[in-house]
Amino acid sequence: DQQVKQNSPSLSVQEGRISILNCDYTNSMFDYFLWYKKYPAEGPTFLISISSIKDKNEDGRFTVFLNKSAKHLSLHIVPSQPGDSAVYFCAANPLTGGGNKLTFGTGTQLKVEL
Amino acid sequence: NAGVTQTPKFQVLKTGQSMTLQCAQDMNHEYMSWYRQDPGMGLRLIHYSVGAGITDQGEVPNGYNVSRSTTEDFPLRLLSAAPSQTSVYFCASRGEYEQYFGPGTRLTVT
Repeated sequence: DQQVKQNSPSLSVQEGRISILNCDYTNSMFDYFLWYKKYPAEGPTFLISISSIKDKNEDGRFTVFLNKSAKHLSLHIVPSQPGDSAVYFCAANPLTGGGNKLTFGTGTQLKVEL
Repeated sequence: NAGVTQTPKFQVLKTGQSMTLQCAQDMNHEYMSWYRQDPGMGLRLIHYSVGAGITDQGEVPNGYNVSRSTTEDFPLRLLSAAPSQTSVYFCASRGEYEQYFGPGTRLTVT
């Protein structure tokens, strides 16, 4: 039972354009959501997060949108750069259940082309 | 600060062998976790700890043991390695909300 789903295993975008990565979840107990970026042979690194009391959070070129009613979140990267090419994982957390139990999606491989 | 460190980076084991994957953090975090990453599966939680002396099971704990005698260290033990444990293992420690991951250990069991 995949509680966090990233239905697009890969995405290719031209440099300078917008990258939109999507994530859906099924567990209504999730109330904190995170995006991680992973380069080959490295551990995931935290990118941006959003609490369920918000619908948008921005950090530089990265914006995460949360639609609670649809149980959907998305990560927007504008403008996309070649260094953004990596695997992006969406993760969710029931804060009230203890913040240690992140549930991850399967990841989306983003390729930003010149 | 080194953050989260893991050793070894690579390991090959034969079926039935045992080994310990080491993890240490220097951020004084109470929460630490072990994940495994398999193709098409994302990262799955094996075990976690909320502080020294306290551990609990995650989603896929079978075949693995953990202990937490200090805040800094959280080793993962494979008692009798099986080919199904071939994976990349990540240790993480948690700040306020986000988790910080180590570089990973790539384990192959033949």
